[in-house]
Formats: sequence, structure tokens, C-alpha cells
Amino acid sequence: AQSVTQLDSQVPVFEEAPVELRCNYSSSVSVYLFWYVQYPNQGLQLLLKYLSGSTLVESINGFEAEFNKSQTSFHLRKPSVHISDTAEYFCAVSGAFGNEKLTFGTGTRLTIIP
Amino acid sequence: GAVVSQHPSRVICKSGTSVKIECRSLDFQATTMFWYRQFPKQSLMLMATSNEGSKATYEQGVEKDKFLINHASLTLSTLTVTSAHPEDSSFYICSARDLTHPYEQYFGPGTRLTVT
Repeated sequence: AQSVTQLDSQVPVFEEAPVELRCNYSSSVSVYLFWYVQYPNQGLQLLLKYLSGSTLVESINGFEAEFNKSQTSFHLRKPSVHISDTAEYFCAVSGAFGNEKLTFGTGTRLTIIP
Repeated sequence: GAVVSQHPSRVICKSGTSVKIECRSLDFQATTMFWYRQFPKQSLMLMATSNEGSKATYEQGVEKDKFLINHASLTLSTLTVTSAHPEDSSFYICSARDLTHPYEQYFGPGTRLTVT
């Protein structure tokens, strides 16, 4: 079984400032890692994922996350945030065998301050 | 590609009635679909996993007689909340797994259920 910890429930950031949303996981097996974004009253959208290969993965809207196996982390970063980035961000983990359940963290609410 | 729809997006029903929520994969075949429940400002809690043509597997603590799940085809799964009560009010989200990408889930937009 896996577990995910998102230590920051809320992160306020000024517009154009950098941000890091933290995610740590626990697992006894190899994992796949995901970041999802949820806008108010909507479902989840996949932001980026780590399956294998390069430990640094990027999204099309400027976010990136780095898989750090030794620290069991998958932190999400963006060098300069925009008002439209205001949303709830969920980190999720699954076993790396396919057909596995997703386990979600408790989410981090990112609020961008104009 | 990989679009999942849910219907209805919002539903209000009276206590004691039943309500059905549909989850459809629009452009791919979903051998597995998942149903989640999300309380305000909280994370997603997996309720059950449904595989096409077989009985759903419910997570511990989820009443299978209250939350009936049917996965009759490779593109449709339904969740029926029977004898709904106000405490069943929540945001229900489904997701579907593409057979060709067994490590990824595609999420629907969610259904807001309010029981009065």
C-alpha cells in the first residue's frame, strides 16, 4: 500500500513569484507519481506524471516536478505563477505495475495574490 | 482524446429517493472505472472500482447496498445512490482507465449531489 503526504494545506503566493508545493510519498514498491489540478466545482485534470526515465517532468503550462527517490518526494514547482493558477493541487501515487489504484494526498490550495 | 463525461453535473433530490449518476468514456474503451467521493475542501476518497461485466469492488466502509455500481459496457458505468439522505450530499467523481494506458486514470467533471 502507498500513502501520500501534502504538508501544506494552503499556499498563498504573490503573482509572478515562484512556488513549490510539497509532496512526499511512502511505498514498499516502485511507484508512479502524479500531480492533478482541480478548479472550483470541476473534476481533476492531470498536470504531469512520472512513470520512468527522466526524474524531472514538465507540464505545458510551466509547472515541473522532480522525482527524488532517496527523499521519497515529488515536489511541484513553477518559477512564476499567474492568477489563473489559483486551484487545488493533488499529489497522487500508484504502484508501478499498471491497473493499480491511485492514492491521493489531502491537497494544497494555491492562492495567487495580485 | 481520453474524455470522460458525467451526467448530471448537479442533482437535487429529496431524502429517501434514489438518484443515478452516469459516467461515460467518450473516445476510448474503459475496462475499469473508479468512483470517488469528495467532501468540501477535502481529498478524493475511492469508493469502488468497477470492471466491465463484473461486480464492483468496494472500499472498506462503503455500503454496497447503498451505492450500487453497474459497469454494463466498456464506455458506461453508473452509480446509484439508493434511499439518499442528507449525509450523502457530496461531490461524486468518476474516472476511467484506458486499456492501452493501464497506469493512468482520466477523470470526469464530477456530479454535485444535494439531498434535501
